[in-house]
Amino acid sequence: SYVLTQPPSVSVAPEQTARITCVGNNIRSKNVHWYQQKPGQAPVVVVSDDSVRPSGIPERFSGSNSGNTATLTITRVEAGDEADYYCQVWDNISDHPVFGPGTKVIVL
Amino acid sequence: EVQLVQSGAEVKTPGESLRISCKASGYSFFTYWINWVRQMPGKGLEWMGRIDPSDSYTIYSPSFQGHVSISADKSINTAYLQWSGLRASDSAMYYCARQLEPGDHDAFDIWGQGSMVTVSS
Repeated sequence: SYVLTQPPSVSVAPEQTARITCVGNNIRSKNVHWYQQKPGQAPVVVVSDDSVRPSGIPERFSGSNSGNTATLTITRVEAGDEADYYCQVWDNISDHPVFGPGTKVIVL
Repeated sequence: EVQLVQSGAEVKTPGESLRISCKASGYSFFTYWINWVRQMPGKGLEWMGRIDPSDSYTIYSPSFQGHVSISADKSINTAYLQWSGLRASDSAMYYCARQLEPGDHDAFDIWGQGSMVTVSS
């Protein structure tokens, strides 16, 4: 099945930029969705279809997808952005969704 | 308001049966698939399976096929996840999440709040 790789953690100072990568074979051919999960809460989609921001999600969140790497970028990081972030794609062969292992964003 | 409201926490012993629920409101229940996602303590998200509430067509992840059952009652806009013989390894948080169409283009846009299942002797 299709495999996604994410760094276990990313540390960033407040007001700086966090970049979370999601690596998969030729991932540029897929639509990537990103979910934020804060402690004790359900996941929330923050970027869909590579770069579409759902209503209510701050403009500080953006996504891109090229080659074998999709990236979620959070600019002007705030303490409230501290969470686990998961990428997700669709595995067309198995007809199943696949989640990445998740990245913990730590705000210093 | 569009929402999925799940049933509460459960504590069971190994071998027992269990059914947890996910009630949809604020949208047409038949329009979106309902997916179930497991999250074991301190771990990531694992897709378990999905159901089309309009006809109860169901697909399972091979990792969960045969161990869980997904169903839906469209008369009360509710989807279910069921076990007939729980194991200690089933202890986890379980989320339901809706998706417009299975495939590349639609994210899981609304999630339930989660149902915690603890299986212990």
